Amino acid sequence: SYVLTQPPSVSVAPGQTATILCGGDNIGRKSVHWYQHKPGQAPVLVIYDNRDRPSGIPERFSGSNSGNTATLTISRVEAGDEADYYCQVWENLSRHVIFGGGTKVAV
Amino acid sequence: QVHLVESGGGVVQPGGSLRLSCAASGFTFKAYGMHWVRLTPGRGLQWLSVISFDGNYKDYADSVKGRFTVSRDNTNDTVFLQMTSLRAEDTAVYFCGKRGDGYYVDHWGQGTQVTVSS
Repeated sequence: SYVLTQPPSVSVAPGQTATILCGGDNIGRKSVHWYQHKPGQAPVLVIYDNRDRPSGIPERFSGSNSGNTATLTISRVEAGDEADYYCQVWENLSRHVIFGGGTKVAV
Repeated sequence: QVHLVESGGGVVQPGGSLRLSCAASGFTFKAYGMHWVRLTPGRGLQWLSVISFDGNYKDYADSVKGRFTVSRDNTNDTVFLQMTSLRAEDTAVYFCGKRGDGYYVDHWGQGTQVTVSS
C-alpha cells in the first residue's frame, strides 16, 4: 500500500518558519491534506487539496506539493503552533485514506 | 457550527466488544460521508472506516476488516462503530470525522479512549 513518510520532529524558534515534509511516490500527482493535533483536542484540518486553507486557518499556514514531496509551511511560528502535524492522501488503488506518521513541531 | 461527540469508549478485555457512537450536529448529517480514525501513541493517526452519506457504501482498513462494522442512523444524526474481537493493539483514542468535499476529514470529534487489557 501507499506509504507517506514524515520526519518525527521539527524544532523551530518563535517567529521563524517551520517546514514539514511529507514524502511519497509521485505524491505530486495526489491531493494532500494536512492536520494539526494537540493532545486532548480534536484534530484540525489546516490545509486541503495541497494548498487551500479552511476558513479560520491563519494565512501563516501554507502548503505545496510536487514530485515526491509535499510541504506544509508555518510562517512566523507561534507557541500555539506546537502540535503534531499529519499529512494525508487518498489511495486510488485501495480506495483508502492514508496518513503519514506525523511530525511533532516543537517551538 | 459542526459538532461531533464520540462516546462508548472504555476498558475491555481482549476478545471483547464495544460499540462507539458519534453524535453529529450543526450540519445536514444525511448529506455527508463519515469516517472513523484512531490515534495511538506509537503509530499516530490510523484510518479505520468510512460510510457513505446514505450508508450504502462502507469500507475498512485491512487491520480491522471483519472485526469492525460501521453503520449510521440518519434519523438521529449518529454514526456507530461496532468493534469485536478486540486486541491489545486496538488500544487507542477513536475519532469520528465528517467527510469534506474531497477525500479528507474537515471536522473531527474530541475522541473517546478505548483500552483493551486483561
